[in-house]
Amino acid sequence: GEKVEQHESTLSVREGDSAVINCTYTDTASSYFPWYKQEAGKSLHFVIDIRSNVDRKQSQRLIVLLDKKAKRFSLHITATQPEDSAIYFCAADSNYQLIWGSGTKLIIKP
Amino acid sequence: NAGVIQTPRHKVTGKGQEATLWCEPISGHSAVFWYRQTIVQGLEFLTYFRNQAPIDDSGMPKERFSAQMPNQSHSTLKIQSTQPQDSAVYLCASSHWGGAETLYFGSGTRLTVL
Repeated sequence: GEKVEQHESTLSVREGDSAVINCTYTDTASSYFPWYKQEAGKSLHFVIDIRSNVDRKQSQRLIVLLDKKAKRFSLHITATQPEDSAIYFCAADSNYQLIWGSGTKLIIKP
Repeated sequence: NAGVIQTPRHKVTGKGQEATLWCEPISGHSAVFWYRQTIVQGLEFLTYFRNQAPIDDSGMPKERFSAQMPNQSHSTLKIQSTQPQDSAVYLCASSHWGGAETLYFGSGTRLTVL
């Protein structure tokens, strides 16, 4: 079955710098790749997604890149701010389910 | 729109007791998912309903876990004879139709089994 690997378990960046979180997947049939954010003590909420018909999508300071050949997708957060501190989860669709990465804890240092 | 509502927020049970967790999906959403989140295992899929019908319960520990969706406005996850390893945050999520689309998560129920 589909496996999604999230490579960085923790990522620490200085405020104002960019952060990049990388995920790989195994199922070539996957076509939907969302990202979710979980702030401390809270539940997950959707931040951005990308579908396989494009290789780049941007929403304000968030950019998602998709490399279908390498089966890799990444979340880029530009000009990081303290409120970006959270755990970020990537996922890939497999049939009707989402298969989740293990999460990356993003720490924004002042 | 209050979002996905999960009750209770916290539940403490003794080993061997039963726990029932409740989820109210967003009105109009036809798909409901249950997940379990722990530090060690991360996010684990448990079960999925579409239009109240159980579609996939492949993630459910078969012996003691059961889920139902008696009507479109709520779903329950029941754990019989709870064990310490059942301690986790149980998350419910809903979506419009259950395909490759945004999931809306509830705040979760933190279950602690003593």
